[in-house]
Amino acid sequence: GDSVTQMEGPVTLSEEAFLTINCTYTATGYPSLFWYVQYPGEGLQLLLKATKADDKGSNKGFEATYRKETTSFHLEKGSVQVSDSAVYFCALSGDETSYDKVIFGPGTSLSVIP
Amino acid sequence: DGGITQSPKYLFRKEGQNVTLSCEQNLNHDAMYWYRQDPGQGLRLIYYSQIVNDFQKGDIAEGYSVSREKKESFPLTVTSAQKNPTAFYLCASSTPGLAGQETQYFGPGTRLLVL
Repeated sequence: GDSVTQMEGPVTLSEEAFLTINCTYTATGYPSLFWYVQYPGEGLQLLLKATKADDKGSNKGFEATYRKETTSFHLEKGSVQVSDSAVYFCALSGDETSYDKVIFGPGTSLSVIP
Repeated sequence: DGGITQSPKYLFRKEGQNVTLSCEQNLNHDAMYWYRQDPGQGLRLIYYSQIVNDFQKGDIAEGYSVSREKKESFPLTVTSAQKNPTAFYLCASSTPGLAGQETQYFGPGTRLLVL
């Protein structure tokens, strides 16, 4: 079945460091890909998404490119801030008309220290 | 402002007790979901509903029940049959778009603890 794999955390970076969180997926068809972020004690919120191969999603300085050839959707940011400390979830949604087809990865915890 | 509200923020359950978690949305979304989140793990789908008066089991429905009498509301009951209910519960909603592209909108969550 469909699945999402993320790099294990926790990840600890100094402020202004470069961030990469790896995400790979297994899916049939042509899924949409998402990154959600969860700040401490809160629900998830959409960070960015891409709906077809070679699309780049971007938001708040974060970027991710949908790479079908490597089945990847890695999250990057050039210069992290303390306020980016959160848990990041990669997710995919199938191309069938089915509401239950959202699959989340296990999440990667990021801590940014001043 | 449109959004999803969940209450209470913290909920304590005694052994053998049923408890109900509230989820309300004013986004006019058709679909609603309940997820369970355990420490260090991703989200697991408990139940979902695509339309009023209809809902389906997710991956871990045992020990839980739901209702969908109104479009805006999707309460989750954690029954005494759920032997390990301590977790963070998240409600979400979405609206039909191109298949597979729906963004899910999440509430702030309810943390359930067993006394």
